[in-house]
Amino acid sequence: DMKVTQMPRYLIKRMGENVLLECGQDMSHETMYWYRQDPGLGLQLIYISYDVDSNSEGDIPKGYRVSRKKREHFSLILDSAKTNQTSVYFCASSFGASQNTLYFGAGTRLSVL
Amino acid sequence: GDSVTQTEGLVTLTKGLPVMLNCTYQTTYSPFLFWYVQHLNEAPKLLLKSSTDNKRTEHQGFYATLHKSSSSFHLQKSSVQLSDSALYFCALSEETGGLSGKLTFGEGTQVTVIS
Repeated sequence: DMKVTQMPRYLIKRMGENVLLECGQDMSHETMYWYRQDPGLGLQLIYISYDVDSNSEGDIPKGYRVSRKKREHFSLILDSAKTNQTSVYFCASSFGASQNTLYFGAGTRLSVL
Repeated sequence: GDSVTQTEGLVTLTKGLPVMLNCTYQTTYSPFLFWYVQHLNEAPKLLLKSSTDNKRTEHQGFYATLHKSSSSFHLQKSSVQLSDSALYFCALSEETGGLSGKLTFGEGTQVTVIS
């Protein structure tokens, strides 16, 4: 079954704390993504990963970093979280280039207080 | 850079009526267009996609035609159902042959179907 799994689903953190969002996929997709979704702004690309240790900044990378040590696993890290990073974060994966279908996880709702 | 514009933020309509959601785009490359649908508290899922000019693409009763001359990829359905209530995103990718991987999303259109 093709699946992208995100953990945790809900997270509340205080400003200045570190945050780790995890994403896994069981499709052996090379390409994985992190997006954030805010009302009226659609989905904004934070980082894209083309394979293990092959990561590239998206449109809004500031304040975020990523780690991909295994093809099936992609992490998003917020060092010293800020209140404006409160958002819903979606991980996605695709086979090869973006002309192929993106498979999204269910999202992580992060609140930074 | 690339951009996608969805002019309607909110659309409310009655079950059984037709709907058209507008999507226009700007890119300097050959475009590949997508519609994704996101039901409440669920992940976005692909609805349909196209890179062929003037060819209608259909899926689950929805259809869209890519018109490169007008840079548009409007989503239509002839008769909406209550289950079509969702957030709809238009998205653009560059068909450069490379691996840029970047998909640019529009702001989304929230569709609410009432009985």
